Amino acid sequence: AQKVTQAQTEISVVEKEDVTLDCVYETRDTTYYLFWYKQPPSGELVFLIRRNSFDEQNEISGRYSWNFQKSTSSFNFTITASQVVDSAVYFCALIPGSGNTGKLIFGQGTTLQVKP
Amino acid sequence: DGGITQSPKYLFRKEGQNVTLSCEQNLNHDAMYWYRQDPGQGLRLIYYSQIVNDFQKGDIAEGYSVSREKKESFPLTVTSAQKNPTAFYLCASSMTALAVYNEQFFGPGTRLTVL
Repeated sequence: AQKVTQAQTEISVVEKEDVTLDCVYETRDTTYYLFWYKQPPSGELVFLIRRNSFDEQNEISGRYSWNFQKSTSSFNFTITASQVVDSAVYFCALIPGSGNTGKLIFGQGTTLQVKP
Repeated sequence: DGGITQSPKYLFRKEGQNVTLSCEQNLNHDAMYWYRQDPGQGLRLIYYSQIVNDFQKGDIAEGYSVSREKKESFPLTVTSAQKNPTAFYLCASSMTALAVYNEQFFGPGTRLTVL
C-alpha cells in the first residue's frame, strides 16, 4: 500500500516556539519522492521541499528543517521560532517511483495555528 | 508572471447541472492534474494528463470528465453523476510527468457548492 499519515490533525503554539510536524509514509518502492506543501488560508498549495529516497541528508532552509529517516519511514518538518505567518495547513506527500504517473499521495494535513 | 489560474474562484451549482472549472497554465508544463479537497482530508487525484490529447483517471474520476486539447488548458467538468460534488478543487501542473519527481505547482483553487 502507498500511504501517508499525518497523525497530528491540529497544533497550536505561541509565537517563537519551535514546532515539529510528523509525517510517516508507506511504500514498497525502493525509489520514491517525498514532499511538503503549505496551504495558507488563501487555499493555494505552496511547494516547500522535495526529497528522494536515496538522499537521507537533513535539510535546513532558514527557520525550516526536515528530518528524513528511512529506518522509521518518517519525514518530519520542524519550524524554529514560529511566526504568525506560519499559520497554515501543511501537507506531506509521496510520489512512488513505480507507475510513472507523478501522482501525489497526500496525508490528511496538519493545521498549524501560531498565536501572537 | 508565470503561473496557474483557475476560474471561477467560487461556483454554485444546482443539483442536476453540469459545471466546468477552468485551469490554465503559462509555465509550458507538459503534465497537469486535478485534485479534490474535502474538509479535514488531504487532496485526492481526479484526473491527470501527461501530454496534449491524452489523460488518465485518478482515484476518484467517477462523475467527472476532462479534456486536454491545448497544452496550457485542462478544464474539468463536474457532471450530474457526481453525487457529492461540494468541495475545493485544485489544479496543478509539473514540468513533465516523465520525471515523476518534479514538483507540482498549484493554482488558487475553485470552491464548488451544490445548492
